[in-house]
Amino acid sequence: EAQVTQNPRYLITVTGKKLTVTCSQNMNHEYMSWYRQDPGLGLRQIYYSMNVEVTDKGDVPEGYKVSRKEKRNFPLILESPSPNQTSLYFCASSSQGYSGRGETQYFGPGTRLLVL
Amino acid sequence: GNSVTQMEGPVTLSEEAFLTINCTYTATGYPSLFWYVQYPGEGLQLLLKATKADDKGSNKGFEATYRKETTSFHLEKGSVQVSDSAVYFCALSVGAGGSYIPTFGRGTSLIVHP
Repeated sequence: EAQVTQNPRYLITVTGKKLTVTCSQNMNHEYMSWYRQDPGLGLRQIYYSMNVEVTDKGDVPEGYKVSRKEKRNFPLILESPSPNQTSLYFCASSSQGYSGRGETQYFGPGTRLLVL
Repeated sequence: GNSVTQMEGPVTLSEEAFLTINCTYTATGYPSLFWYVQYPGEGLQLLLKATKADDKGSNKGFEATYRKETTSFHLEKGSVQVSDSAVYFCALSVGAGGSYIPTFGRGTSLIVHP
């Protein structure tokens, strides 16, 4: 089954304790990205990757890191989490259409993070 | 830059009512347009899409027509059900330098009462 998986689904942590949220897709997609969803602010992109070893900042990258060592995986790293990073996080992937048209994004189920 | 503007919610309707959720966009280039739906506790999933002007996307009774002249992609359904209660996101993707860039609206919450 084609899917994007994220782990963990729920996470409670304390300020400053490093954490990693994993994301994996089995569709051989080139493009992967991370979003955070907050009430009243919708979906905001954190980082994206157009292929292995190619990553770039989205709209709200501060406090986050990513890596893309393999095509299927795109972990999100919070080196020193703070309470303002409490949010619902989504990973997404899609094929990278060079025509720039019609590329559907496939989303993971989300990770709900609470930083105390 | 690119942007997507959706009507603010929540939109509250009775079952079998007609639904319209407005969406307008600005884009550099010729975008593809999407509606995604997020059911409670789940990730976003594609509802419908259109890739060129005057195309109509449709799925599960929902429809949206790509209107280039008004830069709009309004979502409609003739008769909503309680199971349609969800958050709906309008989005676009546009090519730039050999790749594409997705942009999402803020989402519109729909609540359907029996």
